[in-house]
Amino acid sequence: DAKTTQPTSMDCAEGRAANLPCNHSTISGNEYVYWYRQIHSQGPQYIIHGLKNNETNEMASLIITEDRKSSTLILPHATLRDTAVYYCIVRASNTGKLIFGQGTTLQVKP
Amino acid sequence: GAGVSQSPSNKVTEKGKDVELRCDPISGHTALYWYRQSLGQGLEFLIYFQGNSAPDKSGLPSDRFSAERTGGSVSTLTIQRTQQEDSAVYLCASSPQGFHSGNTIYFGEGSWLTVV
Repeated sequence: DAKTTQPTSMDCAEGRAANLPCNHSTISGNEYVYWYRQIHSQGPQYIIHGLKNNETNEMASLIITEDRKSSTLILPHATLRDTAVYYCIVRASNTGKLIFGQGTTLQVKP
Repeated sequence: GAGVSQSPSNKVTEKGKDVELRCDPISGHTALYWYRQSLGQGLEFLIYFQGNSAPDKSGLPSDRFSAERTGGSVSTLTIQRTQQEDSAVYLCASSPQGFHSGNTIYFGEGSWLTVV
């Protein structure tokens, strides 16, 4: 299974874009990149996922490099409620299970 | 529509007792997952069910842990002879057609287990 590397923590000013990086240099060609977040004491919340192309939904945008070895999750206008731990995960191609790392703790500050 | 439902939401048990945690996946989802998260830690994969295939039990920490999925829907995670280190939140998740890695996995809110 591909492993991911994320910064331990990041700060972002409220109203600004939050850009969360993730390295997954050993990703295989048929493995997707998933992003989840976990707000204290709640279950993980799905944000977005992608394979090769950049993706956008109502929550965020996902930018995947052409070589697929890294990606960036973009929250375009961060709010205080976006303070959470953000997990970048590569989905195992044989079993489909998600293997979580330690994630990035994003602190949105007023 | 209903999401992944877990019960009980909180459970306090004495050391040495057995506990059962229940998960109702989203209707129609063929894949079901159990994870564990100890206080301040990341999510630890436990077990994965996909349709009628043999479950992936590679994450179960000891033989005190077992899980069943009846009729391809509801799942029960059983912990026998609980120990204090079993205290954690146990999270269940489900997804449609789990072997297709492009499908979304949805999590429940978890069952908080405290062993005293």
